[in-house]
Amino acid sequence: QVQLVQSGAEVKKPGASVKVSCKASGYTFTSYYIHWVRQAPGHGLEWMGVVYPSGSFTSYAQKFQGRVAMTKDTSTSTAYMELSSLTSEDTAVYYCARREVVDTMAYLQYWGQGTLVTVSS
Amino acid sequence: AIQMTQSPSSLSASVGDRVTITCRASQGIRSDLGWYQHKPGKAPKLLIYGASSLQSGVPSRFSGSGSGTDFTLTISSLQPEDFATYYCLQDYSYPWTFGLGTKVEIK
Repeated sequence: QVQLVQSGAEVKKPGASVKVSCKASGYTFTSYYIHWVRQAPGHGLEWMGVVYPSGSFTSYAQKFQGRVAMTKDTSTSTAYMELSSLTSEDTAVYYCARREVVDTMAYLQYWGQGTLVTVSS
Repeated sequence: AIQMTQSPSSLSASVGDRVTITCRASQGIRSDLGWYQHKPGKAPKLLIYGASSLQSGVPSRFSGSGSGTDFTLTISSLQPEDFATYYCLQDYSYPWTFGLGTKVEIK
């Protein structure tokens, strides 16, 4: 069965960076785009970006341009999301999700369990 | 980026009520829209894709409609397990964008 298992909770100081992993299993990792979504406390879901494991394609929300990097390691079927220059506003639960495409319709069906990143001095 | 305007931001309803949530896109997005349910401490759950296609395993009381710029999620008879926050997500073009969400609460 398809599974996306994320790394554990992190506590970071302002100005630091965090790297969250998303390990895929139960399918061919290189065949599906991986998206990243976050939810800050009291806020809604926010789309951050996408990485294609088979190639170099990435796309990021304008808000994160310049301080986010989404990468992958095909040898371990793992996607990564690294966010730098953290502030308290980056405190959030971060999710990875696999993009499905059926008859040109795209959606996010499989999700990781979420990773809480807390930014605090 | 395409903006998704979702309304209402919250609503109170009783079990058995019919509930309607709307999303409006800032430009036409064909039928490239999904609806997701989110409960605290859990990952979001896909309900509807392609504006009107019911995801496998999702109860038939959920339905979606619309195309172009105006979309609707309807819950025909609200059940206790449906109290959650609902989001639309446009997948027409990058960057994908969510609506701000609709919190469905118990009246």
